[in-house]
Amino acid sequence: AQSVTQPDIHITVSEGASLELRCNYSYGATPYLFWYVQSPGQGLQLLLKYFSGDTLVQGIKGFEAEFKRSQSSFNLRKPSVHWSDAAEYFCAVGAWGGSYIPTFGRGTSLIVHP
Amino acid sequence: EAQVTQNPRYLITVTGKKLTVTCSQNMNHEYMSWYRQDPGLGLRQIYYSMNVEVTDKGDVPEGYKVSRKEKRNFPLILESPSPNQTSLYFCASSSTGEGRNEQFFGPGTRLTVL
Repeated sequence: AQSVTQPDIHITVSEGASLELRCNYSYGATPYLFWYVQSPGQGLQLLLKYFSGDTLVQGIKGFEAEFKRSQSSFNLRKPSVHWSDAAEYFCAVGAWGGSYIPTFGRGTSLIVHP
Repeated sequence: EAQVTQNPRYLITVTGKKLTVTCSQNMNHEYMSWYRQDPGLGLRQIYYSMNVEVTDKGDVPEGYKVSRKEKRNFPLILESPSPNQTSLYFCASSSTGEGRNEQFFGPGTRLTVL
């Protein structure tokens, strides 16, 4: 069965600092990987996704993520955090194979200090 | 505008009173699903549907029903709600084509069962 682990429940950074949110997955083949962001009171919005090809993927709002097969990781990064990035971030893994049940991590709450 | 809509956005009800949360998408997506979000647990899938008249259980289906009579609609039914179903619910949809399975989420329905 597939699974996703986001080891950090909360992350606190200062505005302008760099950010890295960790995501580790378990899946038997090459997975489809996603990062979503949930702003307070909002639904989830896709930040970026990885299916195949270049292991460094660029997303919206200046985010990027790197797929590392050897580490089963798909960490999200941003070089300079803005106060508006404060939100909940979810990593997800999914794959098609007759049925599709994507699995989400428990989320990481990002707090940005001025 | 491509979107997933849910109604109602907020609902307070009492134990045992049947309720339905509607979900509609205008993107002609084959796949639709329902999630519940609880603090510390992330998103957990309740039910999903691969297409019209095709539904299946997700990770936490107990106490819920769904139907998929039309492609655009995927209502969530709670026949006899209980307080442990107090949660934030999200509907999502996606295409089933290879490499296009990012999910689009609705704004959420906050349900309180007293």
